[in-house]
Amino acid sequence: AQTVTQSQPEMSVQEAETVTLSCTYDTSESDYYLFWYKQPPSRQMILVIRQEAYKQQNATENRFSVNFQKAAKSFSLKISDSQLGDAAMYFCAYREMYSGGGADGLTFGKGTHLIIQP
Amino acid sequence: DGGITQSPKYLFRKEGQNVTLSCEQNLNHDAMYWYRQDPGQGLRLIYYSQIVNDFQKGDIAEGYSVSREKKESFPLTVTSAQKNPTAFYLCASSILGLGLGYTFGSGTRLTVV
Repeated sequence: AQTVTQSQPEMSVQEAETVTLSCTYDTSESDYYLFWYKQPPSRQMILVIRQEAYKQQNATENRFSVNFQKAAKSFSLKISDSQLGDAAMYFCAYREMYSGGGADGLTFGKGTHLIIQP
Repeated sequence: DGGITQSPKYLFRKEGQNVTLSCEQNLNHDAMYWYRQDPGQGLRLIYYSQIVNDFQKGDIAEGYSVSREKKESFPLTVTSAQKNPTAFYLCASSILGLGLGYTFGSGTRLTVV
């Protein structure tokens, strides 16, 4: 079974600074998808960024970017110019490429609580 | 607007009672999922369904039951067999085969009183 590990239960960053959240995963598959989700205090899960494992280029979405290291099975999230609204739980998640007919579902890490210091 | 609606937002259950959490989507997604969230545990998969009238157990299905009679609806029943039901429950849906992320509902907080 796939596992996703987020080794930082909590991170703190000054407003306007850059912070990197770590995620590692374990899989025997060569094709899969990786995601970062944000869960603010409202507890609504919001998709931040998505990476396809067969693409070498790192995904970016405005101030959010990833560092995808396939060989190392590492998928870190970088948040640039941190804003107060970025304060939330951040979850890394893994999904198999071929989801039909068998086990399905996103596998989540336990999350990193990001605190933004004003 | 398309989305997923979970109800109620807060639910209280007495010991020994069954309760049902509602999840409805109008996104025309094939697959629907139920997750349980506990502090420090992340999200754990309870059940999922890829097609009407079919569903599969996730990692922590014991004490829960589901049905999928309509594509739009995937209710979760927390039975009296679930010994520790107090948690936050999230429903999600997705299109199959495209590797897209899930769309989540806003969740239901269940508390045993």
